[in-house]
Amino acid sequence: DGGITQSPKYLFRKEGQNVTLSCEQNLNHDAMYWYRQDPGQGLRLIYYSQIVNDFQKGDIAEGYSVSREKKESFPLTVTSAQKNPTAFYLCASSIRQTIATGELFFGEGSRLTVL
Amino acid sequence: SQELEQSPQSLIVQEGKNLTINCTSSKTLYGLYWYKQKYGEGLIFLMMLQKGGEEKSHEKITAKLDEKKQQSSLHITASQPSHAGIYLCGSSTGANNLFFGTGTRLTVIP
Repeated sequence: DGGITQSPKYLFRKEGQNVTLSCEQNLNHDAMYWYRQDPGQGLRLIYYSQIVNDFQKGDIAEGYSVSREKKESFPLTVTSAQKNPTAFYLCASSIRQTIATGELFFGEGSRLTVL
Repeated sequence: SQELEQSPQSLIVQEGKNLTINCTSSKTLYGLYWYKQKYGEGLIFLMMLQKGGEEKSHEKITAKLDEKKQQSSLHITASQPSHAGIYLCGSSTGANNLFFGTGTRLTVIP
């Protein structure tokens, strides 16, 4: 079945360590997105990519990095520069390069806890 | 920056009751989207509204967008435990970003 797979689902890391969250999609979608979700704050956009080898910063890109070497993969690295990395991270994709239609397909999320 | 306010923040209803969730913007929206999220999981697309005055229904869920395209409501008729979750509205400024409201947590008591 087609969909978006995020891994790991739960991740614990010590403060100061970089961590990479995986996001893979087999929907053949052009665009992919990373959102962060905190209690009471909704979803905030970290990075997005419209095509391979291209990506743009979202509203809260500081302390994060991404790559888009393959159409189906969009990994997110949470670096030690991110001051409050503990959060629920959601990866999404959309058919078109623009999201005017609004239909994003989401993965199940990765919950990162920094100890 | 664009903001979407949702109300109420949380809602507890008895099974079988009707309920309404609201989503309000201070600016005209290009489109309004409703998603549902079960706790700790991803979001599932419910409906999209683009035209002022538009109304869409799917099973027991009806979403409306006002004429000014600044307010939307999501109405659930005869709620069931399967309706429980977090409902989020989202919108786009036309650029490549879908921004979201803070969500409404719905609990349905059997």
